Formats: sequence, C-alpha cells, structure tokens
Amino acid sequence: QVQLQESGPGLVKPSETLSLRCTVSGGSLNSYYWGWIRQSPGRGLEWIGYIFYGGSATYNPSFKSRVTMSVDTSENQFSLKLSSLTAADTALYFCVRHHYTYWNGYYWDYIDVWGKGTTVTVSS
Amino acid sequence: DIQLTQSPSSLSASVGDRVTITCRASQSINTFLNWYRLKSGETPNLLIYGASTLQTGVPSRFRGSGSGTDFTLTISSLQPEDFATYYCQQSSSGPRTFGQGTRVEIK
Repeated sequence: QVQLQESGPGLVKPSETLSLRCTVSGGSLNSYYWGWIRQSPGRGLEWIGYIFYGGSATYNPSFKSRVTMSVDTSENQFSLKLSSLTAADTALYFCVRHHYTYWNGYYWDYIDVWGKGTTVTVSS
Repeated sequence: DIQLTQSPSSLSASVGDRVTITCRASQSINTFLNWYRLKSGETPNLLIYGASTLQTGVPSRFRGSGSGTDFTLTISSLQPEDFATYYCQQSSSGPRTFGQGTRVEIK
C-alpha cells in the first residue's frame, strides 16, 4: 500500500522560499503524476500542481512563477518550492498521487493517495 | 477556472441517516468529478471518481451520480466515521478545482 509523508519547516519568514519534500513508501514514482494541494480556512483546498515521474510539470496559474516541483527517483521523493511567501501562504500542505486512467476515449484523473499533511506558517 | 459550488455548507445528522450533498459546476464537466472525505488529523480518502465509480475499498453506502453541471453524493446510512468534511473536485479542464466543502456534524 503506497503511503506519502510530507517533511519540511513548520515556520518560514515572509519573502523566503518554502521547500517541502514528500517521501513515497510502498511503491515507486514510476508511471504516476505527483502533486501538491494546500488547505487554509480562507481559501479552502487549492491545487498547486503536479509533476510526472519523468519530470514534466503542470502548475496552477494562480501561483504564477512562484512554484517549482521536482522528482528524485533515486530517493523515491518529490519536492515543492514556493517562493516570495506571504501570510496568505500559511496552510496545511498535502502531497498527493494523481491516478490517470484512459477509458472510453478520455483520460480520467483522480487523487487516490494523500499524505497526512504538514502545517506551514509564514510569519516573521 | 471552473468553479464548484457545494450545498449545503454544513449539515447535522444522526447515525443511520441518509445524507445528500450536491455539487454544481460553473460549466459542463461531463463526468470528470471526484469526491473526497477529509477528517482532521487523518489521511484524506477518495470516495468516488468519474462522478459515479466507487473507489476500491470504499463502502457501498456511498453513491455518486450526475453529469454535466449537477452532481450528488449520497450516503445511504451514516456511520460514525462519516462525520467529516466532503469535497467535490473537477478534473475536466484547467487547474484542478475543489468545492468549498460540506461539513457533516453529529446531531
């Protein structure tokens, strides 16, 4: 059974860059998309983006050029970097696995594995 | 971006009750609609994908329906572990977006 575990700093200063890592256990990165979602009281659940195990990424335009994702297949990990932080980036950050299935002429995408989430506070 | 509006925002129910949550999309999304259950401190669960397909291992008391812009999640007989917040999410086009959530509380 695949499990995801987020790791990273719980407190980051404004204007700095957040770096989070997600470790995948019980399976490999191969053939899946791996993503990040955050949850905050004011914004609900926000999809940040995802990255294919081969390295191509798709980001939510709302995050403009602030976000970078990467994968490390040798360590079975993937990462998120979010720059120019403000208090609005304070949230619970989840790493997730996107499951893509081709069926009946369409690609079906759903999130079938979630981490428990890690709380990030942006404050000086 | 495609907007998803859930109703109600919250509801109170008892164990054994039938519960229905709706999700409306701002444009047609075919059946590219998924449902999740989130409980504080626990790993979120995928319940339904493709609007009506039950994820493996999810109890049959959960049922999803709908297409186009209007969707429904029904829990036929509420169990103690179902007191949680439920979210719909679209995977039709553009950035993936979620509804604002429906909190199911104990009456």
